[in-house]
Amino acid sequence: DTGVSQDPRHKITKRGQNVTFRCDPISEHNRLYWYRQTLGQGPEFLTYFQNEAQLEKSRLLSDRFSAERPKGSFSTLEIQRTEQGDSAMYLCASGDGTSVVETQYFGPGTRLLVL
Amino acid sequence: SQQGEEDPQALSIQEGENATMNCSYKTSINNLQWYRQNSGRGLVHLILIRSNEREKHSGRLRVTLDTSKKSSSLLITASRAADTASYFCARVYNQGGKLIFGQGTELSVKP
Repeated sequence: DTGVSQDPRHKITKRGQNVTFRCDPISEHNRLYWYRQTLGQGPEFLTYFQNEAQLEKSRLLSDRFSAERPKGSFSTLEIQRTEQGDSAMYLCASGDGTSVVETQYFGPGTRLLVL
Repeated sequence: SQQGEEDPQALSIQEGENATMNCSYKTSINNLQWYRQNSGRGLVHLILIRSNEREKHSGRLRVTLDTSKKSSSLLITASRAADTASYFCARVYNQGGKLIFGQGTELSVKP
């Protein structure tokens, strides 16, 4: 399968714990995006990378959130000291970044539940 | 916050009927994209329409764009039960590549 993959698919954690999610983009894509989606809403942008450079972060991304893409391939999204409000689906997407008309390909998402 | 609004929020039709979903947005666009999301396959890109296009077709999908009204519509003809999903419009924010999604229309097609 050469699509975008995410791991884990589901995560249940207790409030205050740290969690880390991984995204593996389509191999030739240099752009990687993270979005968050809550029930009944569309995805909301969190951050994106062009190769290993993090080019933009949403104000939704508080200090407890950090994302990395150290070698310009896979990316990790870490949430520290989780809160119940962090419960959501975390989506990763990749694109070839050639122009503003790029198509973004989404992974299946990681569903986080904070108890 | 979301920059697009979709209408209706939910739509229920019988198999074989057409389904129309509308999307409005607030600022100028380079292109507008439509995505489908269901529990089985995640978020899937359906079609992209550029700001200088007025209509685009892909199989049973027809998308229109009216930049003067800042609105777009997605028409699914001869719907099937497998079309049951949530449909989102999304626009590219400036030149940055990130997508701004609407809140979506939940379509239910009954056999």
